[in-house]
Amino acid sequence: GESVGLHLPTLSVQEGDNSIINCAYSNSASDYFIWYKQESGKGPQFIIDIRSNMDKRQGQRVTVLLNKTVKHLSLQIAATQPGDSAVYFCAENIDKLIFGTGTRLQVFP
Amino acid sequence: GAGVSQSPRYKVTKRGQDVALRCDPISGHVSLYWYRQALGQGPEFLTYFNYEAQQDKSGLPNDRFSAERPEGSISTLTIQRTEQRDSAMYRCASSSRENQPQHFGDGTRLSIL
Repeated sequence: GESVGLHLPTLSVQEGDNSIINCAYSNSASDYFIWYKQESGKGPQFIIDIRSNMDKRQGQRVTVLLNKTVKHLSLQIAATQPGDSAVYFCAENIDKLIFGTGTRLQVFP
Repeated sequence: GAGVSQSPRYKVTKRGQDVALRCDPISGHVSLYWYRQALGQGPEFLTYFNYEAQQDKSGLPNDRFSAERPEGSISTLTIQRTEQRDSAMYRCASSSRENQPQHFGDGTRLSIL
């Protein structure tokens, strides 16, 4: 199948640890941000989103933090599991979605 | 299924041929988007629709690329006189309306020989 993210920044974590994936966005006018997970051979899968009027949003095992001052977004995954292994993309919305460079998350048992 | 459906899954064609890629969005979704994704990169915006109206086509690389959504549901991305540089994964996404989460299909892998 298709291999996504052959030469991406990689984060390696042990199963059960927490993961933090970071993203810098480019446009201070962006008002909506989304994190996607992409497994090999699949399309990006929506994880969580956040609007610019918030600085934190929590989902199931995931938290997104937004720092508008430094234009930084992070995705925290609690108790990382082998099924979390994938490439993760942040995207900012300025009339359309602009995707950042992905990060490959590798989870070791 | 209830997700975004794209067909064909794979398309191999000779240079110079026209190709049509189909996207069937999630039922009821107003907004439909087309992207192109190169290996190792995030999806790159091509064009999008609200209902049947094309709102933004600024990402289409040149005039060989066109898209339509005549009845506000299924969309077709057409590439005329294909070139080898058109080889890529083409992805479709839909959302309930603008500025809502976009949900992606599994894409069409286009290979131009």
